[in-house]
Amino acid sequence: GAVVSQHPSRVICKSGTSVKIECRSLDFQATTMFWYRQFPKQSLMLMATSNEGSKATYEQGVEKDKFLINHASLTLSTLTVTSAHPEDSSFYICSARDEVWRGNQETQYFGPGTRLLVL
Amino acid sequence: AQSVTQLGSHVSVSEGALVLLRCNYSSSVPPYLFWYVQYPNQGLQLLLKYTSAATLVKGINGFEAEFKKSETSFHLTKPSAHMSDAAEYFCAVSYGKLTFGQGTILTVHP
Repeated sequence: GAVVSQHPSRVICKSGTSVKIECRSLDFQATTMFWYRQFPKQSLMLMATSNEGSKATYEQGVEKDKFLINHASLTLSTLTVTSAHPEDSSFYICSARDEVWRGNQETQYFGPGTRLLVL
Repeated sequence: AQSVTQLGSHVSVSEGALVLLRCNYSSSVPPYLFWYVQYPNQGLQLLLKYTSAATLVKGINGFEAEFKKSETSFHLTKPSAHMSDAAEYFCAVSYGKLTFGQGTILTVHP
């Protein structure tokens, strides 16, 4: 149980284009999902909290217009990197919280990550 | 504010030796604490978690961690390392949002 998938696993795009990354909870419903960014040899940095049916909450320093988040259903959140530039190249990881099972509060389950390379 | 400090960015052990990865936390409220493992180019896999029940928590793959409030620690141990344990390990504290430590890369040599 508690499986989270991401698509695509890796993507290469040209500078100036937009890229959409999907995050799905496969066997549970998640009202809250999270998007992280990880640079090589570094820890995960929380970018934003995605809430089903409402606007995402962004961390300080993360551009809302640059990283668009849509949490359209209880099993799907998307991150769109708009007008991507080489500095946006990174490993993006999503997670989801299973909030139905009370014994599982605060536990986040992570997707396999998406490697973005912007040329 | 919550924070996590992992002592040692790299730990190297021999196969069969004890694994000890250190984690200290700072939290103004009773914490939820987690250990995750990350293999290269993959997401994070939950190893174990502390949620104010038993102070000694057993996880997957033979790992366990002990919550010590007096020391504000949550160190991860495994009695006997396997080659397959080589990965990066993250300690994290949560109160709504996860705050990660810097990570510890575990190397296991024959």
